[in-house]
Amino acid sequence: EDQVTQSPEALRLQEGESSSLNCSYTVSGLRGLFWYRQDPGKGPEFLFTLYSAGEEKEKERLKATLTKKESFLHITAPKPEDSATYLCAGQTSGSRLTFGEGTQLTVNP
Amino acid sequence: DAGITQSPRHKVTETGTPVTLRCHQTENHRYMYWYRQDPGHGLRLIHYSYGVKDTDKGEVSDGYSVSRSKTEDFLLTLESATSSQTSVYFCAIRTGTDQPQHFGDGTRLSIL
Repeated sequence: EDQVTQSPEALRLQEGESSSLNCSYTVSGLRGLFWYRQDPGKGPEFLFTLYSAGEEKEKERLKATLTKKESFLHITAPKPEDSATYLCAGQTSGSRLTFGEGTQLTVNP
Repeated sequence: DAGITQSPRHKVTETGTPVTLRCHQTENHRYMYWYRQDPGHGLRLIHYSYGVKDTDKGEVSDGYSVSRSKTEDFLLTLESATSSQTSVYFCAIRTGTDQPQHFGDGTRLSIL
């Protein structure tokens, strides 16, 4: 059974305090690992897709990396506006996504 | 903006009534999806469509049906709503092979 597990469930940071979110996956035939950001009352917003181990992608203060078993979302010098729930999802054949439960990030000023 | 509109945005109804949620896209993307999001479960796939009148079940399809008679509209129907179907429902589209899914802003459904 495909499974995606995110940790921690919740993370509180001070503004400027860098950290990482973890996404572990057991997805057979992984065709992509996706990261999304979700704000309260909104739908998930796409951030990154990673396809192969060793791949990295960056966007502003965020960098996503992928190994054969897990993905990390590194947040460098976060700002309060980075507060959100971050979701990761693994894609199998047929375009189905298996989502983790998310990490709720709070960045205090 | 992925051009996805979900309606209604909020709905309260009673157990046993039928409910239909609508997802409308402004472009002619082939793939459309319905998810539900619940605390402790994350997003789970209900049904998806890969073309007009072409649909398939996801992991939590019991109690739900879908229809797609036009490319731009994907309807989700709860045939006889139950309290366990209280949730936030999200529609998504996919713009192409190996492209990410893009989500609407959801429908919050409460079944009393």
